Amino acid sequence: GEDVEQSLFLSVREGDSSVINCTYTDSSSTYLYWYKQEPGAGLQLLTYIFSNMDMKQDQRLTVLLNKKDKHLSLRIADTQTGDSAIYFCAEKVTGGGNKLTFGTGTQLKVEL
Amino acid sequence: ETGVTQTPRHLVMGMTNKKSLKCEQHLGHNAMYWYKQSAKKPLELMFVYSLEERVENNSVPSRFSPECPNSSHLFLHLHTLQPEDSALYLCASSQDWSRPAEAFFGQGTRLTVV
Repeated sequence: GEDVEQSLFLSVREGDSSVINCTYTDSSSTYLYWYKQEPGAGLQLLTYIFSNMDMKQDQRLTVLLNKKDKHLSLRIADTQTGDSAIYFCAEKVTGGGNKLTFGTGTQLKVEL
Repeated sequence: ETGVTQTPRHLVMGMTNKKSLKCEQHLGHNAMYWYKQSAKKPLELMFVYSLEERVENNSVPSRFSPECPNSSHLFLHLHTLQPEDSALYLCASSQDWSRPAEAFFGQGTRLTVV
């Protein structure tokens, strides 16, 4: 079955890069997603990567996908206090219908 | 403001109470969702509606009862809940149910069962 895992916490200093990691078990993933949840808010889609890609860059965000190791990461360059949030990865698998499987979320804390 | 509004924002209820959560979307979307977010657990899809028809059958206890009277409104009726049902309940909507990843989320209702 599908399982998506993330570490629960990450703390970085303002201006540093943040790397949030995610591992998944289903090799038939088609799309992998990153969402951001700010305090008191719902989830917001940040970016996504198709499973046949290795990397995708979007301004300060870089997504890396290692399909062999089933490992996905989100790098945030020049992390700001406004980046403090919970970050969820999610996968959509072939034959899974329209269902998304989410990870537990990683709480990113940006310190001054 | 995402265009998806949930009320109430916070709810405390006893195990014998009956209450309802409300969700409203002003985006013209055809699909609406209920998710359960518990601490340290993956986000869990509870129910999916497309054009007021329920389209997914997930294993959700019958003490949770959804209702979708029209494509803009979604309710979650709660009765005889357990303390482990305490969580953040998120509503979302998307253009159609084949695109759940592009959903817009509400701010959630923080439910505490005492």
